[in-house]
Amino acid sequence: QVQLVQSGGEVKKPGASVKVSCKTSGYTFSKYGISWVRQAPGQGLEWMGWISGFSGHTNDAYKFQGRVTLTTDTSTSTAYLELKSLRSDDTAVYYCARDENAYNGQDYWGQGTLVTVSS
Amino acid sequence: DIQMTQSPSSLSASIGDKVTITCRATQNIFSYLNWYQHKPGTAPKLLVHGASSLQDGVPSRFSGSESGTDFTLTIIDLQPEDFAIYYCQQSYGTPQTFGQGTKVEIK
Repeated sequence: QVQLVQSGGEVKKPGASVKVSCKTSGYTFSKYGISWVRQAPGQGLEWMGWISGFSGHTNDAYKFQGRVTLTTDTSTSTAYLELKSLRSDDTAVYYCARDENAYNGQDYWGQGTLVTVSS
Repeated sequence: DIQMTQSPSSLSASIGDKVTITCRATQNIFSYLNWYQHKPGTAPKLLVHGASSLQDGVPSRFSGSESGTDFTLTIIDLQPEDFAIYYCQQSYGTPQTFGQGTKVEIK
């Protein structure tokens, strides 16, 4: 069965960086992309970017350009989100989700990783 | 960015009711419209993709439709497990954008 398992919660200080992992199983990693979506406390869902499991090509929301880095390790079928220069408003639950193509939506999701940014 | 205006922001309904949630895009998104159900403490669940295609395993009481830049999620015969927050999402443009969400509560 398809599974996406994310790394555990993190507490970071403003200005620091965080790297969240998303280990996938149950499907061919290279045939799908991974999208990253976050939800701040009391807020809605916000799409951050997408990475191809085949080529590593990325498509980021320009709001995060310069601060977000999406990568993959095809040998372990794992995707990573790194967010730099953290601010308090980056406090959120971060989700990874499998993404076949833009038309089919994100069909399987990780359990979410809470990142808390606090001094 | 393509903006998605979702309404209502919340609604109260009873078991067995029919519920309609709408989303309007600021431009043509060519059916690249998805609907998700989100319950607190869990990951969002894809219900409908391509505006009207029901995701595998989703009950047939859920359906999606479109008319131009207006999209609708309909739930008939509302069940206890359907009380949640529903989001539309356009996946045509970058960045992909979500509606503000609709909280479906028990009346």
